[in-house]
Amino acid sequence: SQQGEEDPQALSIQEGENATMNCSYKTSINNLQWYRQNSGRGLVHLILIRSNEREKHSGRLRVTLDTSKKSSSLLITASRAADTASYFCATDLYSGGGADGLTFGKGTHLIIQP
Amino acid sequence: DGGITQSPKYLFRKEGQNVTLSCEQNLNHDAMYWYRQDPGQGLRLIYYSQIVNDFQKGDIAEGYSVSREKKESFPLTVTSAQKNPTAFYLCASKVSPFLGELFFGEGSRLTVL
Repeated sequence: SQQGEEDPQALSIQEGENATMNCSYKTSINNLQWYRQNSGRGLVHLILIRSNEREKHSGRLRVTLDTSKKSSSLLITASRAADTASYFCATDLYSGGGADGLTFGKGTHLIIQP
Repeated sequence: DGGITQSPKYLFRKEGQNVTLSCEQNLNHDAMYWYRQDPGQGLRLIYYSQIVNDFQKGDIAEGYSVSREKKESFPLTVTSAQKNPTAFYLCASKVSPFLGELFFGEGSRLTVL
């Protein structure tokens, strides 16, 4: 079963606007990660946030984590056409520590209109 | 450059044939993983290996087999028992089973004719 679920499934915005996507998960985790996938390519790791962290920044990316609500959000500021991609959240299971792989949601497909 | 190499990128197979997808990494990572991705879907775990000569079934292992005879190699065989093998297959690795993020290859797209 899916551990993480992203929302919305698809998002289309104008270049320069901010893009926000959300992820909800079901069980306790050690950390939550966000990945990006360009069409027909492999996934690329963007950012990892640990369960004891509430917010993390990396360049134009800002990730928040609310463990009480079992949810996370990814904000991309000042979007560019090159940000067009699918974005996935991934979680490990607290008991496994990620050794048995990460569980991925279905992703948010982001389209940046020039 | 260090990374993960998957081959072939595109593969066509007739029903009833076994095919093997290659995954090689030169990152010196202990853990390796195979995921399957269907259109508009997330990734589902097929098999994983935390160390050489050991591997475990993931959520959808039926119809697949793997081996881990060398640290850098984790090939996936899609057998004729897999009922719906047409998909995008992604190989990934981690520096150790309990640490860090996944590094992915560029994927192999398998189409059954």
